Formats: sequence, structure tokens, C-alpha cells
Amino acid sequence: AQSVTQLDSQVPVFEEAPVELRCNYSSSVSVYLFWYVQYPNQGLQLLLKYLSGSTLVESINGFEAEFNKSQTSFHLRKPSVHISDTAEYFCAVSPRGNYGQNFVFGPGTRLSVLP
Amino acid sequence: DADVTQTPRNRITKTGKRIMLECSQTKGHDRMYWYRQDPGLGLRLIYYSFDVKDINKGEISDGYSVSRQAQAKFSLSLESAIPNQTALYFCATSPGGGNQPQHFGDGTRLSIL
Repeated sequence: AQSVTQLDSQVPVFEEAPVELRCNYSSSVSVYLFWYVQYPNQGLQLLLKYLSGSTLVESINGFEAEFNKSQTSFHLRKPSVHISDTAEYFCAVSPRGNYGQNFVFGPGTRLSVLP
Repeated sequence: DADVTQTPRNRITKTGKRIMLECSQTKGHDRMYWYRQDPGLGLRLIYYSFDVKDINKGEISDGYSVSRQAQAKFSLSLESAIPNQTALYFCATSPGGGNQPQHFGDGTRLSIL
């Protein structure tokens, strides 16, 4: 079984400041890793994913995440946030191979970008 | 038009009523899912279906039932609604395989009085 921990339920940050949203996971098998973003009154949208290869992955809107196998982490970072980045962010894992229902989501981190 | 459509978007009802939430998709994906979102708990899986003849219970299936009417349609029912089923419900689809991301509808906000 898999589990995902997002230690920070809320992260307030000023506009143009850097931010890191933390994600740790536990799994007895290798996993794929995902970050999703949820804007108000919308469903979840894929932000980025790690499947294999380079441990640093990037999104089109300036976010990046680094897979650290030894620390079982997949932290999300952005060097300079914008007001429009205000949203809830969910980390998720999926076991490699065709297991069951696939995805386990973390509890989410609410990012609030202040002017 | 949205690829994954949920109806209704909002619903207020009373304890004991039967409720159906509907999901339809135009993505052509075989796999469909129903999740429940509660503050601080993230998304929890209620039911999932890998094809029309395959239905599986998720983490929190008690009090819920589903029907996969076609590849594109997956409905969630609450046979006798209770207040602690008040939540935001999401339908999602995926083409299959753990490396494939899931695609979500915009959700149904359900309030049970």
C-alpha cells in the first residue's frame, strides 16, 4: 500500500518570493509521482509528473519538482510566485505496474500568494 | 466543452433521500473513478471501473453504489443520504496504466441537511 504526506496544510507567501511545497511518500513498491493543482471551483489539473529519467521535472508555468528516492520525497518549488498561483496543490503516487486503483493522493497544501 | 462533465454541479438535499451524481466523458478512456474530497483529507477513492463490466470498491465505498452504463458514463448513487456524506465529489478518467495521469471533472458540491 502507498501513503502520501504533505506536512504543510497552508503556505502563505508574498508575491515574487520563492516557495517550496513538501511531499513525502511511503510505498513497498516503486511509484510514479505527480503534482496536481486545484483552482477554486475547479477539478484537479496535472501540474507535472515524474515517471523515469532525470529526477528534476518542470512544468510550463515555472514550477519544478525533484524526486529524491533515498528520502522518498517529491517536493514542489517555484523561484518566484504570482498571485495567480494561489490554489491547492496535491501530491499523488501511483504504483509501477498495473495495480488496482492506481492513485493515492496527499491531503493537499493550500498556497496563498499575498500582494 | 469539458472532457469530463459532472452533473449536477451543486445539490442540496435532505437526510434519507436517494441521490445520483452523473459523470460523462468524451476522452475515450476506459478507466473511470469517483472520489470524495473533504478539507484536510485530500481525495479518497469511492469506486473505480476499468471497463463497463468491471466495478471495484475503493477506500470508502460504504453507503455508495455505482453504475457504469457505457464506456463514457459512470454514475454514483447515495441510496439514503446522511449528513456526513456532505462533501465535494469528483469524477476522473484515465486511459490506463499507473503512469497515466487522471483527468478530473469540475466536481459536484453535495450538501445533506
